[in-house]
Amino acid sequence: DTAVSQTPKYLVTQMGNDKSIKCEQNLGHDTMYWYKQDSKKFLKIMFSYNNKELIINETVPNRFSPKSPDKAHLNLHINSLELGDSAVYFCASSQGRSGGYYEQYFGPGTRLTVT
Amino acid sequence: EDQVTQSPEALRLQEGESSSLNCSYTVSGLRGLFWYRQDPGKGPEFLFTLYSAGEEKEKERLKATLTKKESFLHITAPKPEDSATYLCAVRSKAAGNKLTFGGGTRVLVKP
Repeated sequence: DTAVSQTPKYLVTQMGNDKSIKCEQNLGHDTMYWYKQDSKKFLKIMFSYNNKELIINETVPNRFSPKSPDKAHLNLHINSLELGDSAVYFCASSQGRSGGYYEQYFGPGTRLTVT
Repeated sequence: EDQVTQSPEALRLQEGESSSLNCSYTVSGLRGLFWYRQDPGKGPEFLFTLYSAGEEKEKERLKATLTKKESFLHITAPKPEDSATYLCAVRSKAAGNKLTFGGGTRVLVKP
């Protein structure tokens, strides 16, 4: 059983297009995240939702908009894609809003290539 | 702001050659130090959580230790299947659920 799943696995698109990445977790967690991993392999958090409430919103261009229809799903919509958006995007989930020591579980990633 | 530095960036080992990876961190109020393994083209896979200085955790050939300034991941008698990038991350009291990751150590174990 896949714990955290993402679709699509690969996404190739042209500059200026709008695209979405979907994430689902079946771990029963209440908190979900989006991370970006650049070409140098650094993982940086972008957003986090707890029970559909946005709780982490890092300095990310407002072309990126997360949406959480329920606590098991977190989608990422990107408008007007730019070359610099090319990266691997990871979804993750954990239990607990804050204050706990809960580990995060990651999805397989979506490799976005903007041409 | 929380900071994590991992060294070395890359490590080549012969099968059976034990070694250690370092994760140095600066946080205000540690709320967990996490080790992950990442294989090429895959998401990070959770290995360990360490909570306080002096704590140690083991899993097969891996052992993680924690001091007030750094964590070590010891790989004992590695096998080729231990080849991966090992990521260290911290969470601080101020950062809530936000994890700050280091740049990782790429480990290659040759048979």
